[in-house]
Amino acid sequence: GNSVTQMEGPVTLSEEAFLTINCTYTATGYPSLFWYVQYPGEGLQLLLKATKADDKGSNKGFEATYRKETTSFHLEKGSVQVSDSAVYFCALSGTSVGTASKLTFGTGTRLQVTL
Amino acid sequence: DGGITQSPKYLFRKEGQNVTLSCEQNLNHDAMYWYRQDPGQGLRLIYYSQIVNDFQKGDIAEGYSVSREKKESFPLTVTSAQKNPTAFYLCASSILRSPYEAFFGQGTRLTVV
Repeated sequence: GNSVTQMEGPVTLSEEAFLTINCTYTATGYPSLFWYVQYPGEGLQLLLKATKADDKGSNKGFEATYRKETTSFHLEKGSVQVSDSAVYFCALSGTSVGTASKLTFGTGTRLQVTL
Repeated sequence: DGGITQSPKYLFRKEGQNVTLSCEQNLNHDAMYWYRQDPGQGLRLIYYSQIVNDFQKGDIAEGYSVSREKKESFPLTVTSAQKNPTAFYLCASSILRSPYEAFFGQGTRLTVV
């Protein structure tokens, strides 16, 4: 079945540092890829998405590019802020008829940004 | 505002009691999902439904039950058969076409004592 592997956290950065959170996936077919963010005690919010190879999703300064050749969807941000501290989840859609809407999630990566 | 509402936000129950978590959406989404979140384990799918009066087991359905009598509502019952029910429960919904992005509620934290 499909699976997602994320780098383990926590990732601790100083404010204005460059962020990369690695995500690789295993899937048959062509899934859609997502990054979600979760703030403490809350549900998940969609951060960005990409639906086909070489698509770049972007939102709030975060970017990720759908790399089919390396089966990756790494999350990047040029300059993080304290308010970016949260848990980030990589996810992919299903690839079979009837189950395409079932998302598979990584285990999450906690980001801590300090002043 | 359109969205997904989970209630209550915090729930405490005694061991051996069944408890029902509410999830309502006004996004007109066909599909709804229940996930369980434990520290360090990401999200695990409990049940999902793509149409009214039909639902399928996810990866960890044992000890849980659901119903989908209305498009807007997908309540989850945690039964006494669930061995470790203390967790954070998340409800989500989506449309049934690409890219299949899911929208989440704020979650219910269930503590069984």
